[in-house]
Amino acid sequence: DAKTTQPPSMDCAEGRAANLPCNHSTISGNEYVYWYRQIHSQGPQYIIHGLKNNETNEMASLIITEDRKSSTLILPHATLRDTAVYYCIVRPFTSGTYKYIFGTGTRLKVLA
Amino acid sequence: KAGVTQTPRYLIKTRGQQVTLSCSPISGHRSVSWYQQTPGQGLQFLFEYFSETQRNKGNFPGRFSGRQFSNSRSEMNVSTLELGDSALYLCASSPYFGTDTQYFGPGTRLTVL
Repeated sequence: DAKTTQPPSMDCAEGRAANLPCNHSTISGNEYVYWYRQIHSQGPQYIIHGLKNNETNEMASLIITEDRKSSTLILPHATLRDTAVYYCIVRPFTSGTYKYIFGTGTRLKVLA
Repeated sequence: KAGVTQTPRYLIKTRGQQVTLSCSPISGHRSVSWYQQTPGQGLQFLFEYFSETQRNKGNFPGRFSGRQFSNSRSEMNVSTLELGDSALYLCASSPYFGTDTQYFGPGTRLTVL
């Protein structure tokens, strides 16, 4: 399974865009990039996933570089409720397993 | 549609006891996975079930076991509890096996004294 590297922490001002980077330089062609977040002591919450095209949903946008070696999760207008640990995960599309390998994630703190 | 539910939410046990945790997946979901989260080791995969069969297992001792019922509900059991088993135990469900997004429950916080 491809490994991911994320900065341990980031701050963002409320109302501004939060851009969370993830490096996955060993990603394979059939591996998706998934993002989850975990608000203190709750279960991880699914945010978005993508293969190679940029994706957007009601929560966030996912920008994947052309070589797919890195991606950025964008929260367009961060609020205090977005303070959480954000995990970037890569997994094969047809892996036959849900063995997600979580890294240490990025602790995002949204400041008032 | 109701999310993944886990019971109990909090549990306190003493060393040597055993514990059973329960997970009810989202209605219609047939795959259930379990994870352990501790401050030192982070989120670690325990095992996953689909159609009442264990499909994959993480690197945990045999004291950790699980099962899935015909209605897709799942239980995990930890026998001979150790202090290090204190953790947040998370269950996640998905419609099928291995190809879909999985959705996590709120977790069961187990404290071993």
